[in-house]
Amino acid sequence: AQSVTQPDIHITVSEGASLELRCNYSYGATPYLFWYVQSPGQGLQLLLKYFSGDTLVQGIKGFEAEFKRSQSSFNLRKPSVHWSDAAEYFCAVGSQAAGNKLTFGGGTRVLVKP
Amino acid sequence: NAGVTQTPKFQVLKTGQSMTLQCAQDMNHNSMYWYRQDPGMGLRLIYYSASEGTTDKGEVPNGYNVSRLNKREFSLRLESAAPSQTSVYFCASSDWSGGVNQPQHFGDGTRLSIL
Repeated sequence: AQSVTQPDIHITVSEGASLELRCNYSYGATPYLFWYVQSPGQGLQLLLKYFSGDTLVQGIKGFEAEFKRSQSSFNLRKPSVHWSDAAEYFCAVGSQAAGNKLTFGGGTRVLVKP
Repeated sequence: NAGVTQTPKFQVLKTGQSMTLQCAQDMNHNSMYWYRQDPGMGLRLIYYSASEGTTDKGEVPNGYNVSRLNKREFSLRLESAAPSQTSVYFCASSDWSGGVNQPQHFGDGTRLSIL
């Protein structure tokens, strides 16, 4: 069975500082990996995805993530955080074999200090 | 471009009442999904429909039923609501393109409280 762990429940970062959110997954086959962002009271918006190829993927809003197969990780990064990045972030894993069913991590809530 | 539309946005029920949550997508996607979101647990899959005419159980199907009414619509029914079903429910859809399943698109959610 596939699983996703986001070790940090909350992260507080100052505006303009860098941000890294951790994601570790467990899946036997080749995974598809996603990061979604959720603003309060809203649905989930896709930030970026990894299917295959280049292990460093670029997403929207200046985010990027790196797939490291040896560490079973897919960490999300942003060099300089804006106040509008305050939200909850979810890592998810899926696969062709699983029929595109997604398994989500528990989420990381990001607070941005002025 | 509406994407995935869920109704209602908010609902309060009493224990034992029944209710149907509606979901419609206008992207001509084949696959549709129902998730519930609870604090600290991320989203958990309740049921999904890989294509029109098919439905399958997800991780937490107990207490729910679904209907894939047509390609656009996928409803979730609580036959006898329980307080443990208080949650935020999300519908999503996705399609197959370029040889892979594409990312899921989510609605804005239905916030359901059961007293």
